[in-house]
Amino acid sequence: GESVGLHLPTLSVQEGDNSIINCAYSNSASDYFIWYKQESGKGPQFIIDIRSNMDKRQGQRVTVLLNKTVKHLSLQIAATQPGDSAVYFCAENRRGADGLTFGKGTHLIIQP
Amino acid sequence: AAGVIQSPRHLIKEKRETATLKCYPIPRHDTVYWYQQGPGQDPQFLISFYEKMQSDKGSIPDRFSAQQFSDYHSELNMSSLELGDSALYFCASSGRTDATSTDTQYFGPGTRLTVL
Repeated sequence: GESVGLHLPTLSVQEGDNSIINCAYSNSASDYFIWYKQESGKGPQFIIDIRSNMDKRQGQRVTVLLNKTVKHLSLQIAATQPGDSAVYFCAENRRGADGLTFGKGTHLIIQP
Repeated sequence: AAGVIQSPRHLIKEKRETATLKCYPIPRHDTVYWYQQGPGQDPQFLISFYEKMQSDKGSIPDRFSAQQFSDYHSELNMSSLELGDSALYFCASSGRTDATSTDTQYFGPGTRLTVL
């Protein structure tokens, strides 16, 4: 399944399928991007990050893709599991700034 | 691995009261960040400190202040509380260690503040 970020805040996928969560960022001065997973009542948990000099980065079951031309970021989760159910936020860090700017979040729901 | 510690985890206050939230960063992290997350919202950056000096400022109200101490822990002081201050407040820390890179912000579990 695939989300379009701001316009589709909930993504429902079957267990075992791949998930794609999308994010559009606004600031061309951003040079560092992070995906966080947030479970209900908990703090954002770091998943994977990517710098602006890269297009793709892979982790364990996750891949982040960065398209600077259209200012688009995506998170791919392979073989989605029940434990992946959470809200996923992309965050960007502008060059010279400390604070992260978060996107609106996508709620990933895993169907058995 | 040690994580960011926040206290208290829950806090209930009346309007116009004050509140102090505490944050203990990951050991050897030198930068602390504060964020506010309203219900169903994304986290909003408030303020950050590096080596005990304020390093960046976001949408922090004038009624709020913060500081970082010599042991790198940080406190967020909130005065004249309003109903709209009810939210989750997260602290994050960053720094270079064997397990973490300089830029990545690691978040604590948050303090849930309820203003009645």
